Amino acid sequence: RKEVEQDPGPFNVPEGATVAFNCTYSNSASQSFFWYRQDCRKEPKLLMSVYSSGNEDGRFTAQLNRASQYISLLIRDSKLSDSATYLCVVNLFRWSSASKIIFGSGTRLSIRP
Amino acid sequence: DVKVTQSSRYLVKRTGEKVFLECVQDMDHENMFWYRQDPGLGLRLIYFSYDVKMKEKGDIPEGYSVSREKKERFSLILESASTNQTSMYLCASRTTSGSSSYEQYFGPGTRLTVT
Repeated sequence: RKEVEQDPGPFNVPEGATVAFNCTYSNSASQSFFWYRQDCRKEPKLLMSVYSSGNEDGRFTAQLNRASQYISLLIRDSKLSDSATYLCVVNLFRWSSASKIIFGSGTRLSIRP
Repeated sequence: DVKVTQSSRYLVKRTGEKVFLECVQDMDHENMFWYRQDPGLGLRLIYFSYDVKMKEKGDIPEGYSVSREKKERFSLILESASTNQTSMYLCASRTTSGSSSYEQYFGPGTRLTVT
């Protein structure tokens, strides 16, 4: 089982739709969580951190469920410019060495006019 | 703005050649990383450096080595390039202090083709 799993998609939704992605992680010692966005042929960039209480940034909402070990990303009123691959990232605390960062394989989102 | 630069965007090398990929960051970050990204496999960590001259193997270190002699520079070395090392290579850095700790900043990537 992968340490971080995402539905690869692609999700193909019309402009203005609401779309949600989930990401599950296997290690309960995971400490911090992030969503990154990667445009085609570009490097990943941080979209938002995910906090235990949930957090919102404009049209984007991130949620963390520690009991079920998943995080989610909700995009409301989707725009054409939201088309990208969304990477789930988990930071795993380790006593013996530096924390480990684990990337999911990414979920591809395509917004159509 | 944090800037992470990589020495080449595209590189074509022959099997058996020694290949150097350079990465430089300008924000005095302690940690630096080398990943490769392949379709369907996501980003896989090759090596990680948590400070100057310090390094740790990632998930797929075989066939690679690294060097970090200065804080701002992290080099990835392919001792003898093979065709299965054809990939997109991404360098990243992050600080370990302050409110933006844990956020990784990525370079633009080097697409390496080994023929």
